[in-house]
Amino acid sequence: EPEVTQTPSHQVTQMGQEVILRCVPISNHLYFYWYRQILGQKVEFLVSFYNNEISEKSEIFDDQFSVERPDGSNFTLKIRSTKLEDSAMYFCASRQPLAGVTEQYFGPGTRLTVT
Amino acid sequence: AQSVTQPDIHITVSEGASLELRCNYSYGATPYLFWYVQSPGQGLQLLLKYFSGDTLVQGIKGFEAEFKRSQSSFNLRKPSVHWSDAAEYFCAVGVTGTASKLTFGTGTRLQVTL
Repeated sequence: EPEVTQTPSHQVTQMGQEVILRCVPISNHLYFYWYRQILGQKVEFLVSFYNNEISEKSEIFDDQFSVERPDGSNFTLKIRSTKLEDSAMYFCASRQPLAGVTEQYFGPGTRLTVT
Repeated sequence: AQSVTQPDIHITVSEGASLELRCNYSYGATPYLFWYVQSPGQGLQLLLKYFSGDTLVQGIKGFEAEFKRSQSSFNLRKPSVHWSDAAEYFCAVGVTGTASKLTFGTGTRLQVTL
């Protein structure tokens, strides 16, 4: 069964450093998402991406964040200058190009630890 | 804005006992509702979804959920819990529109005792 994959599973970085989290969505999906979950808190929407541009972003997704689909398979989240409060689990998700609200398929997540 | 409340942070049940996890939502239009499960070290797996039609929906692993518009609820149930059901369960509401982002509740951690 096709699945969303994410690398790395765990990333440790120092405050102020740039990190890139990578995701490979399911191949026939065209909508892509990033969510994050700070330890002990709810899963929060960050950004959605369709047709090579951001569809919607939350207030969390400020100028330090960016997303990119550099080729036909990868979808990346870049955090330019990490802060301690960016420590969280980051989930990538994708869904089929169907109208309305359809289920999103999630990857296993990348745990980001900022020290 | 839409929101989801899962009032139970942690629930413990005995194996073989029945289970009900509560979920209440707030959304002005017709809700699209989901239950996801997260096992330790794993991603979020879809258990079931409600879009329209029959208010009792069946999912994987023997789970079901009932949509009650009058109570703004979408509770998850299972008649007989197995030890492997121990995990974190998230209720989510989908927002119509291009993005169709999901808004999640805080989750309920299920512990199963043998």
